[in-house]
Amino acid sequence: GEDVEQSLFLSVREGDSSVINCTYTDSSSTYLYWYKQEPGAGLQLLTYIFSNMDMKQDQRLTVLLNKKDKHLSLRIADTQTGDSAIYFCAEEGGTASKLTFGTGTRLQVTL
Amino acid sequence: DAGVIQSPRHEVTEMGQEVTLRCKPISGHDYLFWYRQTMMRGLELLIYFNNNVPIDDSGMPEDRFSAKMPNASFSTLKIQPSEPRDSAVYFCASSSLQGVGLSGYTFGSGTRLTVV
Repeated sequence: GEDVEQSLFLSVREGDSSVINCTYTDSSSTYLYWYKQEPGAGLQLLTYIFSNMDMKQDQRLTVLLNKKDKHLSLRIADTQTGDSAIYFCAEEGGTASKLTFGTGTRLQVTL
Repeated sequence: DAGVIQSPRHEVTEMGQEVTLRCKPISGHDYLFWYRQTMMRGLELLIYFNNNVPIDDSGMPEDRFSAKMPNASFSTLKIQPSEPRDSAVYFCASSSLQGVGLSGYTFGSGTRLTVV
């Protein structure tokens, strides 16, 4: 079945890079996503990557996809306090339009 | 577009009472999802609709939970009777099949339910 796993917590200093990792199980996933959830808010789409790509860069965000190992990562360059949030990866599995979300990684940015 | 709109934002109710959560999806989106988020279980998919028809309700925890989508612009999630363990944040999300690869889901702000 579908399963998406993430580490629960990451702490980084302001200005450093953050790397949030995710592993998934469904090799048929077409798209993989990263969502951000700030306190008291819903999930907000940050970025996505198509499964035939290895990397996607969007300003401070870099997504790396290793399809062989079913590993997805999100790198945030120059991490700011406003980046403190929970980050969810998600895969679009075999059922069209149904996403499976990971457990979420809480990113804490310290001064 | 105002995005996915959920109401109420907060609901406090007594055990045994009926609770109704509401959702207005983005116009033109033909998929609607209900999720529940708790510290213990994370984000759980409860049910989703396509063109107003329930497709998969295997995540609905018990018969106390029911969801309807009478038209393309409105959905409800009802809990009757409510129990303290139902306390959670309930999210509604919508998407369109054509756009799912580009936009993923759009989430509402959630309803924080507390059952005392």
